Parts: sequence; structure tokens; C-alpha cells
Amino acid sequence: GEDVEQSLFLSVREGDSSVINCTYTDSSSTYLYWYKQEPGAGLQLLTYIFSNMDMKQDQRLTVLLNKKDKHLSLRIADTQTGDSAIYFCAEIPSGGYNKLIFGAGTRLAVHP
Amino acid sequence: NAGVTQTPKFRVLKTGQSMTLLCAQDMNHEYMYWYRQDPGMGLRLIHYSVGEGTTAKGEVPDGYNVSRLKKQNFLLGLESAAPSQTSVYFCAVSTGKTANSPLHFGNGTRLTVT
Repeated sequence: GEDVEQSLFLSVREGDSSVINCTYTDSSSTYLYWYKQEPGAGLQLLTYIFSNMDMKQDQRLTVLLNKKDKHLSLRIADTQTGDSAIYFCAEIPSGGYNKLIFGAGTRLAVHP
Repeated sequence: NAGVTQTPKFRVLKTGQSMTLLCAQDMNHEYMYWYRQDPGMGLRLIHYSVGEGTTAKGEVPDGYNVSRLKKQNFLLGLESAAPSQTSVYFCAVSTGKTANSPLHFGNGTRLTVT
């Protein structure tokens, strides 16, 4: 079946790196995504990685993919208070129509 | 979240009442989705549409109906609301042209059923 799992909470100090982890089950997923949700808002696409890649870097964001273990991580370097939000991992399982399956979301709290 | 507008933003219903949530997009995208978000459960797909006049069931369709009479609008209906439908509802749209086409989300509708 399709399932995406994440830890629910992460607390980091401002300036430190944050690492949010995710595991997924559908090995046929072509793309894996990270979305960010700020309070009272919808989700915004942060970044995505194609399944034949191991790593993708985009400014302060680094995505690592271990396809063998079906493990995805998002690293945020130099975490700022503005990074406080809920981060969702998502996959598109086989079946098409871009129907994303989301994890439960990781709430990132950044403290001084 | 320019381009995807959800109305209303908030609503309180009594058990058994009905209502319709509206999602309107100005991006001319083919694919539209309705998700519900519940604490600790992430977003779950209710129904989706891949074009005008077409709809399909998602992961949790029971108790909901949808219609896509016009390409820019996707309506989600609750015929007889239940407390279990208390949730935040999000609409999303996508071009659907490639597997990595991002979803653009509205700001959500917070529904409480008492």
C-alpha cells in the first residue's frame, strides 16, 4: 500500500541545521516532494527530486534520496525563525494524475 | 497562493446540514483536487478531476460529492454534514502535463460541524 511517514516534531536553534526525515513505500514513485505550510496558509512546493537522483541542492536546502531504503530527507542549513512551519513529504505513486500522497507533516520550531 | 481561491474561508455547520465549498482557479489548469487536512494525518485526497466534466474518487470520498461543470471551478459538496467532517479543506490545481508538475494550493476552508 501507499504510505509516507514522518516524525511529527523537530525543534532546532536558530543558525543550526535542520534535518527532516521521511520514509515512503511505493518504489515506483518517480518524483518525491517537499512542501511547506505556514500558519493559516496552504502548502507551497519547496523542492522535489527525481527518483534517479541521490541528492539535490537548492540554496539552503539539500534533499537526499536513498531509494534502496525508500528514505528521503530535507536538510535546511542555517535555520532561521522564518523557517518555522510544517514540512510535508509527498510522493506520486503509480496510477498517474499527479495524485500526491502526503506524510503527516513535521512541525519545525526554531528557537533563539 | 495567487491563482487558487477557496470560498468560504470558515464555516460552522450543524450535523445534517449541507454546504458547498468552491474552488476557483485562474491558471487554466486541467487537474484539480480536494484534500482534507486533519491533525497528525497530513492531507488526504477526497476527490479529483482531470478536466471539465470529469471527476474521480480519491482516498476518502465517502460523504462528499464533487462537480466540475466549468474548467475553472471545482465544487465540493457535503449533503449531510457529520462531526467527522470537521477539518480544513484544501483545493489544489496542477497542469498535470508532467509527473513533476507542482500542485498550487488555495489557503483552505476551515469547517466545523457541531
